[in-house]
Amino acid sequence: GAVVSQHPSRVICKSGTSVKIECRSLDFQATTMFWYRQFPKKSLMLMATSNEGSKATYEQGVEKDKFLINHASLTLSTLTVTSAHPEDSSFYICSARSVVRGSYEQYFGPGTRLTVT
Amino acid sequence: AQKITQTQPGMFVQEKEAVTLDCTYDTSDQSYGLFWYKQPSSGEMIFLIYQGSYDEQNATEGRYSLNFQKARKSANLVISASQLGDSAMYFCAMREVNQAGTALIFGKGTTLSVSS
Repeated sequence: GAVVSQHPSRVICKSGTSVKIECRSLDFQATTMFWYRQFPKKSLMLMATSNEGSKATYEQGVEKDKFLINHASLTLSTLTVTSAHPEDSSFYICSARSVVRGSYEQYFGPGTRLTVT
Repeated sequence: AQKITQTQPGMFVQEKEAVTLDCTYDTSDQSYGLFWYKQPSSGEMIFLIYQGSYDEQNATEGRYSLNFQKARKSANLVISASQLGDSAMYFCAMREVNQAGTALIFGKGTTLSVSS
């Protein structure tokens, strides 16, 4: 099946610093990538939808300036948490959708656990 | 308004028994898709099964089947012959059209515990 990777898998950073998380589709081209946030034992909350070559569309309540998303190619999207604070600590999961016509399946990355101290 | 509702925060089942995880949804779209994912403690999201709104037959994938009742807007996941490795969190999701295209909207999840 399709593979999506995320890097890093875990990151600990100090308050006030910025952290970049990469999401790559390894064996397919993804026109659309999604970023989700998940608190412990809670559901995945969609943060933004990223279409290759265009600006990301953010869900209501998600700060665009804090969570910068770049989708520069069909295989890579990045999420940068700027000036991170402890409340940004969470599990961040990306997913990617194939360009295959009629395919709606999303392939999820393994997630990145961010801890801000 | 919540679009995907999973009313069971936790479910317990013994090995080899079948278990049903409930999911109801709300949409005014005629065309939609419903998904079930499994999330073990490692955090990865594992795709289990998909049901399209126009599919007349219930989807099945090995030990997983989806009891799709369109009129009731329910899409319950049935796991037959439970195994210890089935212990995980299970999410029901629906494909939704948003400003950027389509995205998956998730329910709150059900934690399944399988005991021997």
